[in-house]
Amino acid sequence: QVQLQESGPGLVKPSQALSLTCTVSGGSISSGSYYWSWIRQPAGKGLEWIGRIYSSGGTNYNPSLKSRVTISVDTSKNQFSLTLSSVTAADTAVYYCARERPSTSSSDYWGQGTLVTVSS
Amino acid sequence: DIQMTQSPSSLSASVGDRVTITCRSSQSVFRFLDWHQQKPGKAPKLLIYGASNLESGVPSRFSGSGSGTDFTLTISSLQPEDFATYYCQQTYSTPRTFGQGTKVEI
Repeated sequence: QVQLQESGPGLVKPSQALSLTCTVSGGSISSGSYYWSWIRQPAGKGLEWIGRIYSSGGTNYNPSLKSRVTISVDTSKNQFSLTLSSVTAADTAVYYCARERPSTSSSDYWGQGTLVTVSS
Repeated sequence: DIQMTQSPSSLSASVGDRVTITCRSSQSVFRFLDWHQQKPGKAPKLLIYGASNLESGVPSRFSGSGSGTDFTLTISSLQPEDFATYYCQQTYSTPRTFGQGTKVEI
């Protein structure tokens, strides 16, 4: 059973960078043709797709965030990471990592989510 | 970006009711349409993939239909554990986009 777990600071100051890591267990991040995604959800609002990475390092980002987002992968640690620069209060949200499976590109496994608050 | 629009935004229903939620995309996504269920404080859970395929372990009272730009999620007989928010998501192109959600309340 694949499991994903987000980790990182719960509080980030405005203008600084937000950094989160997703640790994958129960399977290798390099096996299969999966993409590994980040999705966020502000309190009481809907879901926003941030971007995704393939195990080889290829990425796709949401154009609305592209200038501030970097997603990377560390196959030796079975982890992938999100960095969002120059954060503001609008970046306060629960951040989820998820696995996107091939063929239908469905997000079939999700982490439990981690709340990141941007505040001084 | 492909815009996803769900209706209604919320609905009130009773246990045993048949519930239908619709999702429309701003351009054809063929059958690249998933449905997720989210309960308060929890991560979304995949219910339906490829417009009409039931994810493993999901009760058969959930079903999906549609193709192109118009899709439907149906719960044939609402159960207490089904009170949640439901999101459609297109997986045809990036950026992936979600509907705004439909909250199913008692």
